[in-house]
Amino acid sequence: EDQVTQSPEALRLQEGESSSLNCSYTVSGLRGLFWYRQDPGKGPEFLFTLYSAGEEKEKERLKATLTKKESFLHITAPKPEDSATYLCAVQTTSGTYKYIFGTGTRLKVLA
Amino acid sequence: DTAVSQTPKYLVTQMGNDKSIKCEQNLGHDTMYWYKQDSKKFLKIMFSYNNKELIINETVPNRFSPKSPDKAHLNLHINSLELGDSAVYFCASSQTGGGTEAFFGQGTRLTVV
Repeated sequence: EDQVTQSPEALRLQEGESSSLNCSYTVSGLRGLFWYRQDPGKGPEFLFTLYSAGEEKEKERLKATLTKKESFLHITAPKPEDSATYLCAVQTTSGTYKYIFGTGTRLKVLA
Repeated sequence: DTAVSQTPKYLVTQMGNDKSIKCEQNLGHDTMYWYKQDSKKFLKIMFSYNNKELIINETVPNRFSPKSPDKAHLNLHINSLELGDSAVYFCASSQTGGGTEAFFGQGTRLTVV
């Protein structure tokens, strides 16, 4: 069964303290892996798509990487405005185009 | 211009009532989805339509009935609401063919009392 697991569930960082969020996946075939950011009371906002092992994408303080079993979202020198829930989703090659989500990582960056 | 818009944003209703949530996208996408997000923030697929045709129906009680009048609209009607239906419901859309990101609406927080 296709599955996505994110860790940790919650993370508290001091401003400037870099860290990484993990997304492990088990799928029959990967069409794409997606990272989203969700703020309270809002819908998920797209950040990155990764397609194949070894691929990396970067945007401001965020960098996403992909291996054959997991993806990391690295946050460098985070600021309080980076506080949000970060969601990982996969889309498989199974024929339907549903996005299978992990349970997310709640990130809190303290000033 | 809002890409994916849902109405209403909040919905409070009594058990046993019937309610609808509407969704519209102006991105020109052919595929639309309904997701349910529980209190632990887990997003679970409910339905997906491609060009008005139902392509995903995940073990959802038949009290939930989606309708797509055209490829830009996807509505969700819920009959005989139960306490356990309380959640945030998100509409999303994506391009057909897979491999591209989905765009989400702002969500409808449904509270059944």
